[in-house]
This record gives sequence, C-alpha cells and structure tokens, in this order.
Amino acid sequence: ETGVTQSPTHLIKTRGQQVTLRCSSQSGHNTVSWYQQALGQGPQFIFQYYREEENGRGNFPPRFSGLQFPNYSSELNVNALELDDSALYLCASSSEMGNSPLHFGNGTRLTVT
Amino acid sequence: SQQGEEDPQALSIQEGENATMNCSYKTSINNLQWYRQNSGRGLVHLILIRSNEREKHSGRLRVTLDTSKKSSSLLITASRAADTASYFCATDGTGFQKLVFGTGTRLLVSP
Repeated sequence: ETGVTQSPTHLIKTRGQQVTLRCSSQSGHNTVSWYQQALGQGPQFIFQYYREEENGRGNFPPRFSGLQFPNYSSELNVNALELDDSALYLCASSSEMGNSPLHFGNGTRLTVT
Repeated sequence: SQQGEEDPQALSIQEGENATMNCSYKTSINNLQWYRQNSGRGLVHLILIRSNEREKHSGRLRVTLDTSKKSSSLLITASRAADTASYFCATDGTGFQKLVFGTGTRLLVSP
C-alpha cells in the first residue's frame, strides 16, 4: 500500500509569482483534501476534491485553486503569491466511507519572499 | 480561524508519566479525531470517537468526549520519549471529512 506523497518538499517563491504543488493519494482513496498550516498553528481546510470535482471549500480566496485527476492525484495552485502564503501545505487522502480518517502526506514547505 | 482550542499549549513531562491534553470545540459534530504531528511533518491519525460515544481506548491512548460541554481529552499513559510531538484535535462540524483543527498541544517527554 502506497502512502500519500507530496512534491516538492520545499519551495521558495517571490511575492506575485504562481506555484503548483502536487499530491499522489493513497491507493484506494478517491477523496483529496488540502490544508494550509502556518507556523505554530493547526492546519486550516482549503478545499476538498471527490471524483475530480470540488466538494467543499474553506475560507480561502479564489487565487487558491485545485485539480484532481482520474487517478485521484491532485494539484494545488496559488496565484499572485503573498507573504502570508508562507506555510506548510498538507495534502490528505481518504476513502468515501463514513468516519474514515485522513491520511496525510509530509507536506510542502512554501516560503514566499 | 480555528474552531478548536487545546489546553495546555505546551506540556513537559518525564518518561513513564501520563500526559493529558484537552480540546474544546464550538459546533455540533459527527465525530472528533486526534492527530499527531512530528516537527512540521505530516499528521498521523491516532483515534476517532463518534458523537454518541463517551470513551474510547487504543493501546496507551484513552479519549473521552463530552458533547454537552463540547470538549474532549486525550490521555497518553506511560509516556515515552518517542511520544514527543504536537497533538491536534479535529472535528467535522463543517462537513464530512472537512476537518477543523485545534491549535495543538506541544508535548515534550524527557528521558
């Protein structure tokens, strides 16, 4: 069984640039969620994808967008980067079964300068 | 904004002692989960307790849930240095698997 993998592990970008983060979900999981975790805080829900459709969104602006592919892998795109976007971005996959826990990747550490 | 608050923010104990962390949340829930995070890496699921359950055990972990007080506690018994990590509670109040995390408790277990 393959776990959740994210790439890259670290990334440095300049304010105003765009970034794409990637996630491969755990085998057998068809739901992917993305979370942003600022330093010293708990993760905050960005959005969730289920069978390639967005299935819920947290309190994040439209410049945060995503995709889910037929193999259930996913991308998170952030446009017009701001300094406050510096954070650990976590991807989590899960099955659609009720009360199933989230399986997290190790995250991408994004630094915006 | 975070829905949950955890208490204490930081906890330092010796190996063999018990560690208790508390979590409070704001809205009704279907379940509450606890996760562990080692130094900025991914979160690992520890235990899930449904809203109609009051207590649950898993190995050295014991979780309680009081929905009338909107609170939960995580007890780690006979702690080990390897238990050093941040612990987060998470609720699904905003929707299925759309978790709202607390602010976390940083646990340090000294040998």
